[in-house]
Order: sequence, then structure tokens, then C-alpha cells
Amino acid sequence: AQTVTQSQPEMSVQEAETVTLSCTYDTSENNYYLFWYKQPPSRQMILVIRQEAYKQQNATENRFSVNFQKAAKSFSLKISDSQLGDTAMYFCALNTGNQFYFGTGTSLTVIP
Amino acid sequence: NAGVTQTPKFQVLKTGQSMTLQCAQDMNHEYMSWYRQDPGMGLRLIHYSVGAGITDQGEVPNGYNVSRSTTEDFPLRLLSAAPSQTSVYFCASSQGTGGGFRGYTFGSGTRLTVV
Repeated sequence: AQTVTQSQPEMSVQEAETVTLSCTYDTSENNYYLFWYKQPPSRQMILVIRQEAYKQQNATENRFSVNFQKAAKSFSLKISDSQLGDTAMYFCALNTGNQFYFGTGTSLTVIP
Repeated sequence: NAGVTQTPKFQVLKTGQSMTLQCAQDMNHEYMSWYRQDPGMGLRLIHYSVGAGITDQGEVPNGYNVSRSTTEDFPLRLLSAAPSQTSVYFCASSQGTGGGFRGYTFGSGTRLTVV
């Protein structure tokens, strides 16, 4: 069975500072993908970043980067230079085959 | 560039009523799925489809039916609404799974309340 765990229900960060959101997962598959999605108050689910398990290099998208530790099954998201628009719920997700598995989310608040 | 369109955005149902949540995508995606989002539980898969005429159950399929007669449309039917089905429902699509998979495109969600 596949599981995704986000152990931080809520976090806050000062504007312009850096914050890291944690995610661990469990799967017996060798080929899989990992994602971080952002859900602002508008409710829309927005893809932030993706990582292919067979790639050792950590993915980066502008201010967003991941720390992918395959052996430890850890996939954390780092947000640099936090902005007010980063306030949202963040979901970590694992894709294997035809299904996605989501964590329970981390609510991030950026404080002005 | 409509992407994934869900209707309605909000709905209130009485217990026992039936209804259909609509989902349409214009990206020629093979894969479509329905999720429900509940507080503290993330998103849970209800049903999914890997192509026209093919559907399968996800984690929480009870009380819901789906069909996929065309590539574009993937409606979700609630047969007899129950208060436990109060939730936010998301439709999502993707070109496929496997190599090069780039994740889902989500609809904007439907907030359903069953009273």
C-alpha cells in the first residue's frame, strides 16, 4: 500500500524568509513520481513542482525547490523568499501507476 | 484553453436525492479521475478512467457511479445523497501515467452539502 504523510498541519513564515514543508511517503514501487500542489483560498489545485524518482537531481522551480531523499523516502519542499501569495494549503502527492496518493496537507501562512 | 471544467460550483442536496456532477476536459487527456476533499483527510480517489469505456474504483467508491462514454466527459453520479457525502469534489485529468508524467490538471471543484 502507498501512503503519504505530512506531519505539519500548520506552519507560518515571515515574508521574505525561507520555510520547509516536510513529506514522507511509502511505496514498494521503483518507478514513481512525487508532486507538491498548492491550494490557495480560491480552492484551485495548482502544481508547484514535480520529481521523478529515478532522477537524483532535486527539482527546482524558481523560488520552490525540493530535497528528495529516496532511501529515506522523504520529499520536502523549500520555499525561498516567501511572499504573501504563497499563503495556501500545500499537498504532497505520490503517483504510482494509475493512482495518486495525497497527504493530508500543510496550511502555510505568510506573515507580513 | 478551458482545461478541466466542473459544474456546478456549489450544490445543496436533500438526503436521498440524486444528482450528477459534470466534468469536461478539452485537452484530449486519456486519464480522468474524481476526488473528494475532506478536512484533515487530504484528497481521496473515488473513481478513475484510463480511457473511453474504461472505469475503475478508487479508495472511496461507495455511493458513487461513473461512466466514460467520450474522451472529454467523465460525470460523477450520486445515487442517493447522504450527509457523509458532504465534501468538496475535484475532477482531474492527465495525458497518461508513466514516463514523463506531468501531473494532473484539476478542475475548480464543486462544494456539495447534503442536508
